[in-house]
Amino acid sequence: GENVEQHPSTLSVQEGDSAVIKCTYSDSASNYFPWYKQELGKGPQLIIDIRSNVGEKKDQRIAVTLNKTAKHFSLHITETQPEDSAVYFCAAKNSGYSTLTFGKGTMLLVSP
Amino acid sequence: GAGVSQTPSNKVTEKGKYVELRCDPISGHTALYWYRQSLGQGPEFLIYFQGTGAADDSGLPNDRFFAVRPEGSVSTLKIQRTERGDSAVYLCASSLTSSRERGYTFGSGTRLTVV
Repeated sequence: GENVEQHPSTLSVQEGDSAVIKCTYSDSASNYFPWYKQELGKGPQLIIDIRSNVGEKKDQRIAVTLNKTAKHFSLHITETQPEDSAVYFCAAKNSGYSTLTFGKGTMLLVSP
Repeated sequence: GAGVSQTPSNKVTEKGKYVELRCDPISGHTALYWYRQSLGQGPEFLIYFQGTGAADDSGLPNDRFFAVRPEGSVSTLKIQRTERGDSAVYLCASSLTSSRERGYTFGSGTRLTVV
């Protein structure tokens, strides 16, 4: 089955800096890669996703890149704000399966 | 409803007891998923429903775990003879369909503590 590795496990940045979280996956047939943000006491919330037919997608301060050859994808947050502080999860899905496989998460702390 | 609703939000039970966790998906969402999240970990798949049937239950850890979705909407996750290792946050998610790559909408979860 699919295995998703996520790094780093924790990331501390100053407000206004950029943050990058990286994930690798094992199943070359995976073709859908969402990113979730989870705040304390809440369920994960989808913030951006990318499909394997594109290499990059951007939504305001958030962007995701995908390298299918290397089987890795990354989340980029620019101009970080304290409200970006949360746990971020990457995930991968193979179209032959119905379920997502998640990474272990990255705790992002943005200091004012 | 506006989002995925899970009840109760917190459940404390004694070892050996039976518990039921409820999930109300977004109206019209045919796909429903149960995940379990242990402290400091990502969500781990338990079971997936498409309509009323369990299309994939390969993530259920053992036969103490069972889930139903009798009318294709509300789902109940049932755990028999609970063990301390069952303590976790149980997340439910729904989506319009699983036939295309779509993100799920998660509920806030039920935090289960077995003492």
